[in-house]
Amino acid sequence: NAGVTQTPKFQVLKTGQSMTLQCAQDMNHEYMSWYRQDPGMGLRLIHYSVGAGITDQGEVPNGYNVSRSTTEDFPLRLLSAAPSQTSVYFCASSPAFGSGGPEQYFGPGTRLTVT
Amino acid sequence: AQTVTQSQPEMSVQEAETVTLSCTYDTSESDYYLFWYKQPPSRQMILVIRQEAYKQQNATENRFSVNFQKAAKSFSLKISDSQLGDAAMYFCAYKGYSTLTFGKGTMLLVSP
Repeated sequence: NAGVTQTPKFQVLKTGQSMTLQCAQDMNHEYMSWYRQDPGMGLRLIHYSVGAGITDQGEVPNGYNVSRSTTEDFPLRLLSAAPSQTSVYFCASSPAFGSGGPEQYFGPGTRLTVT
Repeated sequence: AQTVTQSQPEMSVQEAETVTLSCTYDTSESDYYLFWYKQPPSRQMILVIRQEAYKQQNATENRFSVNFQKAAKSFSLKISDSQLGDAAMYFCAYKGYSTLTFGKGTMLLVSP
């Protein structure tokens, strides 16, 4: 099993550009989520999904879109990049609450810089 | 909404010594999990230990153990016989029926 994979590992964008961060998992997990990590702020939830076709907002959703067409994939789209979106982004997955362990499995992260 | 507080931005310990990292949380849920994650310079998030709220017994994983005080909503991590490889950022996290909430982290420095 590859676990949770994220691409790219590093990305530099100019203000106003759009891009998609890819996330995939091969553990058949129902729950997937995106976090951003900023210095001194811990990990903050951007968006999450409890299954294919179902998404919801987290703590910091503005400027980001998600969709979940399959169980395996959960891409994060930046519509018009801003310097405030410079961060490290983590994707995570876990089984649904109550079905197996609740631990979230994290991808390796994407470091995004917006200039 | 649940909140997780780590009041120690940074802690230092010498090799072979013991260190305790603090975490408190706030929730109205009765059924939940608590976690400690380790993040080394590689950035990978590594699960260190987990605790189910309904279990009174404190979780232990080798040199890592927790002191779970449910009434006080406290969940501290004790690292015994500290090693240089323990140096990392440590995050406390809470998961109830909804999402996973993280504290802001404690940087652990280990000196020879």
